[in-house]
Amino acid sequence: NAGVTQTPKFQVLKTGQSMTLQCAQDMNHEYMSWYRQDPGMGLRLIHYSVGAGITDQGEVPNGYNVSRSTTEDFPLRLLSAAPSQTSVYFCASSYNVVRGHEQFFGPGTRLTVL
Amino acid sequence: QQQVKQSPQSLIVQKGGISIINCAYENTAFDYFPWYQQFPGKGPALLIAIRPDVSEKKEGRFTISFNKSAKQFSLHIMDSQPGDSATYFCAAIVNSGYSTLTFGKGTMLLVSP
Repeated sequence: NAGVTQTPKFQVLKTGQSMTLQCAQDMNHEYMSWYRQDPGMGLRLIHYSVGAGITDQGEVPNGYNVSRSTTEDFPLRLLSAAPSQTSVYFCASSYNVVRGHEQFFGPGTRLTVL
Repeated sequence: QQQVKQSPQSLIVQKGGISIINCAYENTAFDYFPWYQQFPGKGPALLIAIRPDVSEKKEGRFTISFNKSAKQFSLHIMDSQPGDSATYFCAAIVNSGYSTLTFGKGTMLLVSP
């Protein structure tokens, strides 16, 4: 199993550009989530999904969209990038939401917005 | 509102020493407390977790101590090694129904040789 994969690993955007961060898992996990990690701020939840077709907002959802059309994929879309979105983004998955503490994280995408 | 407070922000320990990281929570509905370990350039990975019905859980050199009345829990790393140098996150979750992990802000541990 590849586990949780994320692409790209690095990305530089200009203010106002849009892009999609890809996340895929091959463990047949129901629950998937996106976090951003900023120095001194820990991991903050952006959006999460409890299954295909079901998504919900986390702590910091503004400026981001998600969709979950399949169990395997959970892309994160930045609609109009802003310098405040410069961060490291992690996708995570777990078997189901009740066992949401056992999250498997991807390797991350480092995003810089100029 | 920060629901899980973690301290210290950074910690330097000599090889062979004991590393101690503390967390406090506010939400009494939390009933599962995992710790995650993150090496530079990698995603976090589950290290050890505890339920509030026990006061201590030990896995190898890693021990969680839990004080339900004080709403505090801590990670102890015995015989700390340079390979333990990483960022550690405590977290909490209501372990039923639809709930999400709440993370502390992290502790950067450096174990000096």
